[in-house]
Amino acid sequence: QKEVEQNSGPLSVPEGAIASLNCTYSDRGSQSFFWYRQYSGKSPELIMSIYSNGDKEDGRFTAQLNKASQYVSLLIRDSQPSDSATYLCAVLNDYKLSFGAGTTVTVRA
Amino acid sequence: DTAVSQTPKYLVTQMGNDKSIKCEQNLGHDTMYWYKQDSKKFLKIMFSYNNKELIINETVPNRFSPKSPDKAHLNLHINSLELGDSAVYFCASSQKTLSNEKLFFGSGTQLSVL
Repeated sequence: QKEVEQNSGPLSVPEGAIASLNCTYSDRGSQSFFWYRQYSGKSPELIMSIYSNGDKEDGRFTAQLNKASQYVSLLIRDSQPSDSATYLCAVLNDYKLSFGAGTTVTVRA
Repeated sequence: DTAVSQTPKYLVTQMGNDKSIKCEQNLGHDTMYWYKQDSKKFLKIMFSYNNKELIINETVPNRFSPKSPDKAHLNLHINSLELGDSAVYFCASSQKTLSNEKLFFGSGTQLSVL
């Protein structure tokens, strides 16, 4: 079983819609959770971090964490063409940050 | 000024050659990393150094040897390159040994082994 798994993409959403990305992790001892965005040909950049159960909102982004279910999600509201990218879920455990394979999102104008 | 810079951006070489990738960060961070991203976008940690000391060494062939002359630099040397080494290699840094810290990535080195 992979340490971090993301729902397979690609995910295509119309402009203005909500994009929903899911991630599960295998190690219950994982401490911190992150979402990185990676545009094609570019390096990953951090967009959200979440450490405790519940929701965390930052602009159009909302991260949700459920440690009992070992589940992290990212919602992108009012999706824009500029949100078209690959979104990487990352989980921290014992100083090691493990990434999922990413979900590619395409926002259709 | 670029926060984390790595060179070269592209590296095309023949199988069996030895090559190096250099990385420098000007953020004053204590910890630096090498990640490998394969063609399926899977990003996997290879090494991590904290203040020049190796703290993470994943299952990586010993043809890969990192070197950290000081905490601002982490270079990656690869011996006897193989076709399977073709990938994008990202250098990254964080302020402290990774806790809840943000990773800053370099722009990546696209390695193609022919």
